[in-house]
Amino acid sequence: EAGVAQSPRYKIIEKRQSVAFWCNPISGHATLYWYQQILGQGPKLLIQFQNNGVVDDSQLPKDRFSAERLKGVDSTLKIQPAKLEDSAVYLCASSSTPGQTNYGYTFGSGTRLTVV
Amino acid sequence: AQSVTQLDSHVSVSEGTPVLLRCNYSSSYSPSLFWYVQHPNKGLQLLLKYTSAATLVKGINGFEAEFKKSETSFHLTKPSAHMSDAAEYFCVVRYYDKIIFGKGTRLHILP
Repeated sequence: EAGVAQSPRYKIIEKRQSVAFWCNPISGHATLYWYQQILGQGPKLLIQFQNNGVVDDSQLPKDRFSAERLKGVDSTLKIQPAKLEDSAVYLCASSSTPGQTNYGYTFGSGTRLTVV
Repeated sequence: AQSVTQLDSHVSVSEGTPVLLRCNYSSSYSPSLFWYVQHPNKGLQLLLKYTSAATLVKGINGFEAEFKKSETSFHLTKPSAHMSDAAEYFCVVRYYDKIIFGKGTRLHILP
């Protein structure tokens, strides 16, 4: 099966600019996650979707970050305006529904954001 | 609350010697447990997973891990380290649809 697709692979922007990342999960996966991984740290969950609804966005800095999954398939994560501390790899993962056959989750390759 | 703790932020071993990366979890449910490896500037790669079948799980590249419920541990081991094993390793716990990462252990391999 095709994996989780993310784009762009790399992005360099100046602080206070806006940026958007895109994720296309594995077909049929109901749950989609966005993680932020700062250099030298483990991934931190930003937001979790179940179909097109938000399950958990408790660690999403809502003053500057937003995410949507309008049709319950692909998703976009936006940062506006970006700060230097937003430099990180943004990982997308998707998961099938617990209890289904082949329940599991897969990570995309990530988008490396550098804010200068 | 569910959590996962990787007890060592850095581990150094000589090439050819055994590797032990420690992971403890806390949960009131039966979790699924995973180990991921991340090489520099690379994505996360699944090493192995425990999903309530055999308690000793064999993964790729000679790694294995043992689920010990009484100790709430899921330590990762390898009998003989190779230079290519140098990377960051993450212990990951899944409770239903929640995925929780440990802070990672950086493995250094000494020649």
